[in-house]
Amino acid sequence: EIVLTQSPGTLSLSPGERATLSCRASQSVSTTYLAWYQQKPGQAPRLLIYAASSRATGIPDRFSGSGSGTDFTLTISRLEPEDFAVYYCQQYGSSPLYSFGQGTKLEIK
Amino acid sequence: EVQLLESGGGLVQPGGSLRLSCAASGFTFSNHAMHWVRQAPGKGLEWVSGSSSGGGATNYADSVKGRFTVSRDNTGNTLYLQMNSLRADDTAVYYCTRRPEGSGRYFDYWGQGILVTVSA
Repeated sequence: EIVLTQSPGTLSLSPGERATLSCRASQSVSTTYLAWYQQKPGQAPRLLIYAASSRATGIPDRFSGSGSGTDFTLTISRLEPEDFAVYYCQQYGSSPLYSFGQGTKLEIK
Repeated sequence: EVQLLESGGGLVQPGGSLRLSCAASGFTFSNHAMHWVRQAPGKGLEWVSGSSSGGGATNYADSVKGRFTVSRDNTGNTLYLQMNSLRADDTAVYYCTRRPEGSGRYFDYWGQGILVTVSA
């Protein structure tokens, strides 16, 4: 079973700052099968990044994904007020078939 | 515009059953694998179950295997989740999600979610 561990649990930053969110897998994950989602309170998650580094349709270019193997990163280059939310990474490939990290809450400092 | 609209949630007693539906529109439903993902109150996301585009292949999380059944009606563009022997820890918002065509193994569209509460 592949376990995804996200860090930090909570990240406190100010608008305009750079955010770096980490997702570490207990076993190697193919870059093809690593995605990131954003969830705001009371809303469904929204796909941000797929295949580790490809932005989904309509996602601003301040969002970028990188990494390989067991270490993946979501970077938000310059935080906008609407970016404060919870972020999840997700993998496919091992039991369970799909799994998510526990989430990183990005809050306004 | 892709739309996924869940229905059928509500309050059910432990041991009871419930059937969720997800009405899809705005895309060719029969071309896409479809999945259910849930989120317990204040918790993270948990994949529950998925159906291949034709419905011939299904998968389940260990936590629901043997109790939940996913199915689909490609004529009526609807995904279902039959939930039996419900337990308190099945309480969650259940999201209907779409997997993109091709090799992508992620969820590109999500419904707004439907709350299932299992309580006496």
